[in-house]
Amino acid sequence: QSALTQPPSASGSPGQSVTISCTGTNSDVGGYNYVSWYQQHPGKAPKLMIYEVSKRPSGVPDRFSGSKSGNTASLTVSGLQAEDEADYYCGSYAGSNSFVFGVGTKVTVL
Amino acid sequence: EVQLVESGGGLVQPGGSLRLSCAASGFNFGDYWMNWVRQTPLKGLEWVANIKQDGSEKYYVDSVEGRFAISRDNAKNSLYLQMNSLRVEDTAVYYCVRGKSAACESWGQGTLVTVPS
Repeated sequence: QSALTQPPSASGSPGQSVTISCTGTNSDVGGYNYVSWYQQHPGKAPKLMIYEVSKRPSGVPDRFSGSKSGNTASLTVSGLQAEDEADYYCGSYAGSNSFVFGVGTKVTVL
Repeated sequence: EVQLVESGGGLVQPGGSLRLSCAASGFNFGDYWMNWVRQTPLKGLEWVANIKQDGSEKYYVDSVEGRFAISRDNAKNSLYLQMNSLRVEDTAVYYCVRGKSAACESWGQGTLVTVPS
């Protein structure tokens, strides 16, 4: 049950795109199509942005998209806006009804 | 509107016990897996435990197995986490989370548990 690997930071200018990676193993990210992504603003609870690799919950802008290849999943935020500045965490089902999160990536809008 | 409201956090000495509660509203509580997830500045988010809709299945992260117990009362729309033998490393904000499609769909605002060294 080791945490998934994410880069500590990522940044982009308004209107640009930023992509965050999330690397796991065959026992979590690579083994199931149950990768999710969460946005967290300071002092707030996390918010689900992507589930089942690429599905968006109702109300999440289509600027947010997810994908997966092998043991690595990715979140892309297109058309960056100031309010996208936040911490982003990936998560994955890890078998035996367990779940594992990534270490988090701080996204800065320049 | 889905609402999850945690309570019961506080300061507890190492080796002590604490019981967290989560009051759910705005949805049919008995239809969902429920989770506890904790967060620390150092380790980030960590899934702690989950429980099936009818309470018949419960799962835990290795670090709390045997010390924590998750339970639910569907008649009261409530989720609980009994935490025993608390350690310094259990210090965290604890979130009550509704599960869906193997994701953490809806989150409460969190309750802080502090175990001082």
